[in-house]
Amino acid sequence: EPEVTQTPSHQVTQMGQEVILRCVPISNHLYFYWYRQILGQKVEFLVSFYNNEISEKSEIFDDQFSVERPDGSNFTLKIRSTKLEDSAMYFCASREDVPYEQYFGPGTRLTVT
Amino acid sequence: SQQGEEDPQALSIQEGENATMNCSYKTSINNLQWYRQNSGRGLVHLILIRSNEREKHSGRLRVTLDTSKKSSSLLITASRAADTASYFCATDARLTGGGNKLTFGTGTQLKVEL
Repeated sequence: EPEVTQTPSHQVTQMGQEVILRCVPISNHLYFYWYRQILGQKVEFLVSFYNNEISEKSEIFDDQFSVERPDGSNFTLKIRSTKLEDSAMYFCASREDVPYEQYFGPGTRLTVT
Repeated sequence: SQQGEEDPQALSIQEGENATMNCSYKTSINNLQWYRQNSGRGLVHLILIRSNEREKHSGRLRVTLDTSKKSSSLLITASRAADTASYFCATDARLTGGGNKLTFGTGTQLKVEL
């Protein structure tokens, strides 16, 4: 069964460094998302991406964040200058047009030291 | 309460028993989805119920939706130790760009004991 994959599974970085989290959505899906989950907290929406552009972003998704679909298969989340509070599990998700189920990847655990 | 509040926060049952988890939300929705998360792992999609549906079944799962009360319940019948996980409801709102976003609840931690 097709699934969303994410790399790396765990990334450790120093504060102020740039990180790129990578996702390969399910191949026939059209909508792409990033969510994050700080340890012990709710899963929070960051951004949605459709037709090669951001369709919605949350307040969390400030100028330090960007997303890209560089080659038609990968979907990346870049954090330009990481902060301690960016430490979280980052989930990528994708869905078809219809139905509306979002399928999540296994997540990347980002640790900022 | 916030959008997507589950109760109870934690539930401990014996294998073979049924587990019921409830979710309340505040805003209008297009659909509501339930997910399972094993400790420190990814989110597994369980079931989606549309706003015009009242009940849906999938294997040992039964989901109900009451849009007048803005609530949903997830029933797992004949629970197994492997059902031990956190369960989240997520409300789905359509966005102006045509996409959707999920707003997750706080989750119910289910422990099924042998």
